[in-house]
Amino acid sequence: DQQVKQNSPSLSVQEGRISILNCDYTNSMFDYFLWYKKYPAEGPTFLISISSIKDKNEDGRFTVFLNKSAKHLSLHIVPSQPGDSAVYFCAASGAGGTSYGKLTFGQGTILTVHP
Amino acid sequence: EPEVTQTPSHQVTQMGQEVILRCVPISNHLYFYWYRQILGQKVEFLVSFYNNEISEKSEIFDDQFSVERPDGSNFTLKIRSTKLEDSAMYFCASSPQDRATNEKLFFGSGTQLSVL
Repeated sequence: DQQVKQNSPSLSVQEGRISILNCDYTNSMFDYFLWYKKYPAEGPTFLISISSIKDKNEDGRFTVFLNKSAKHLSLHIVPSQPGDSAVYFCAASGAGGTSYGKLTFGQGTILTVHP
Repeated sequence: EPEVTQTPSHQVTQMGQEVILRCVPISNHLYFYWYRQILGQKVEFLVSFYNNEISEKSEIFDDQFSVERPDGSNFTLKIRSTKLEDSAMYFCASSPQDRATNEKLFFGSGTQLSVL
């Protein structure tokens, strides 16, 4: 299932700089997109989301951008902090009128923020 | 902050045995889910549950799987006859009712199931 893809398995960033995590999707029926982060031995934790009617959503240091024509979204973290080091998952929902909460996940990107 | 609780954190079983994975969702949530992640693969949807019945299930969720909400707090996933390929981290999740927040699933820490 390649409907949601995160092509970068890992990203390394210096503390204070911007982290940009990317995600592509193929199913044009998706209408809601989310980012989750996951620490070892924990479940995914909701970070930020965006509806397909918007192209940007911001929450503190985290901003998600959606480019529907390119079927691409990105997560920007500014400034990056060592505590942001985690696996980040892109997820999408809404394809084909499916029920709420059926998320399709990407493979994840391991973000490492160096002090 | 309220959280989803899963027990046990690790479960080892023999192939062919039945296992029950347990979850306590957040108390005022109405939608419940099971996801799993096989080592090295994506987190994948298994089943959603609302109003005491399955809302949707994936192709993975065959007759060997069942879910139940036996009381007002627990939500369980049963695998009747485990196979080697059932080895995975199983995540329980719950969410509130309204569409604006439904997809903001709250996940538990998972149960690592190992089938030998």
